[in-house]
Amino acid sequence: EDQVTQSPEALRLQEGESSSLNCSYTVSGLRGLFWYRQDPGKGPEFLFTLYSAGEEKEKERLKATLTKKESFLHITAPKPEDSATYLCAVQESGGSYIPTFGRGTSLIVHP
Amino acid sequence: KAGVTQTPRYLIKTRGQQVTLSCSPISGHRSVSWYQQTPGQGLQFLFEYFSETQRNKGNFPGRFSGRQFSNSRSEMNVSTLELGDSALYLCASSLKVSGTGELFFGEGSRLTVL
Repeated sequence: EDQVTQSPEALRLQEGESSSLNCSYTVSGLRGLFWYRQDPGKGPEFLFTLYSAGEEKEKERLKATLTKKESFLHITAPKPEDSATYLCAVQESGGSYIPTFGRGTSLIVHP
Repeated sequence: KAGVTQTPRYLIKTRGQQVTLSCSPISGHRSVSWYQQTPGQGLQFLFEYFSETQRNKGNFPGRFSGRQFSNSRSEMNVSTLELGDSALYLCASSLKVSGTGELFFGEGSRLTVL
């Protein structure tokens, strides 16, 4: 069973059509949850870190929120340049703290 | 400032060969992690080095190895290549060992094994 599950796997939106991406996790204790953006042929680019339930972070059209079992990445009025794969990673408290990545949501925003 | 640099960007090898990939971290970053990314498995952790010492290792066979030099540059080696080793190999650097989880990735080395 995957510790980090992202949904949907793929999402197509029209420009301006707001939506949310989901990241659910099953670790027993959360040290941190991270969102990354990955463009084709590039490495992931860090977006946000969330540490506790109720926390929110915003950057331009993106807002990340965190509950005890999942995180949402809300995209408001997306533009074609927001098209990318969005990765979620979870860092479990205790142990090595190596983040476990989900498989990502591929987002395409049509003009 | 300069980002994480990985070389080579693309390479093609045949089964049984070995390959060495290089990573230069962001200046001042002492932690370097390596990940394998494939469409089927996503990002899988290989190993992490900090101050020339391997601090953590993922669940990969012994054919995968790495090292870090005193200037924080890192190399990873895969011996006896198999078809399943075809992947994008990503290097990431950070200031602290596994601490913050905020990783800065290079653009990757895409390995194709024929």
